[in-house]
Amino acid sequence: QVELHQWGAGVVKPSETLSLTCAVYDGSFRNYYWSWIRQPPGKGLEWIGESHHSGRTIYNPSVTGRVHISVDTSKSEISLELTSVTAADTAVYYCTRGNDYSWSHWGQGSLVTVSS
Amino acid sequence: QSALTQPASVSGSPGQSITISCTGTSSDVGHYNHVSWHQQYPGKAPKLIISEVNIRPSGVSNRFSGSKSGNTASLTISGLQADDEADYFCSSYTTTYIYIFGPGTKVTVL
Repeated sequence: QVELHQWGAGVVKPSETLSLTCAVYDGSFRNYYWSWIRQPPGKGLEWIGESHHSGRTIYNPSVTGRVHISVDTSKSEISLELTSVTAADTAVYYCTRGNDYSWSHWGQGSLVTVSS
Repeated sequence: QSALTQPASVSGSPGQSITISCTGTSSDVGHYNHVSWHQQYPGKAPKLIISEVNIRPSGVSNRFSGSKSGNTASLTISGLQADDEADYFCSSYTTTYIYIFGPGTKVTVL
């Protein structure tokens, strides 16, 4: 049974960097694309970007220039960094495992609030 | 890339069938069969219920089915049950290699 467990700071100051990490348990890490998806409170989902262990990474233009997603195959971990955050970045962030252009496994979600 | 279009809410009585539409463009829904649907309960992570327009993952009830015609995909829930009350999001891969979502549809069981 594949499990994704994520963690990171729950409050980030405006203009600073949001950092989250997601560990994958009991699953094949190398065969999949790993995405981050976020959901502002009371709103819909937004795909942030995805990365593969091969190095192929692609980001949503809405965050390009501020975002970095990396995978660490030795630890089976995926990381998200989002710089220069504003209140608009306040959301629940999910790490997900991608397959067949969809997301079959999701982390528990991390609420990140941008506030001074 | 604009978001997909979904109705804000759909309702039905137990046992009925309901259909949720998801409209995109020829650059996303109309171009690929890479449309998926997720179910989300309040405070919970989304759950994949349909991938590739009409593929149900293992363990998902066969009361859920998907289809597509042109630029519009649809999710049908047959034999509506109380625990189908949730939010449903569609998503699509696009010709610019990114994914977009619909705003979500709240399903209410009357």
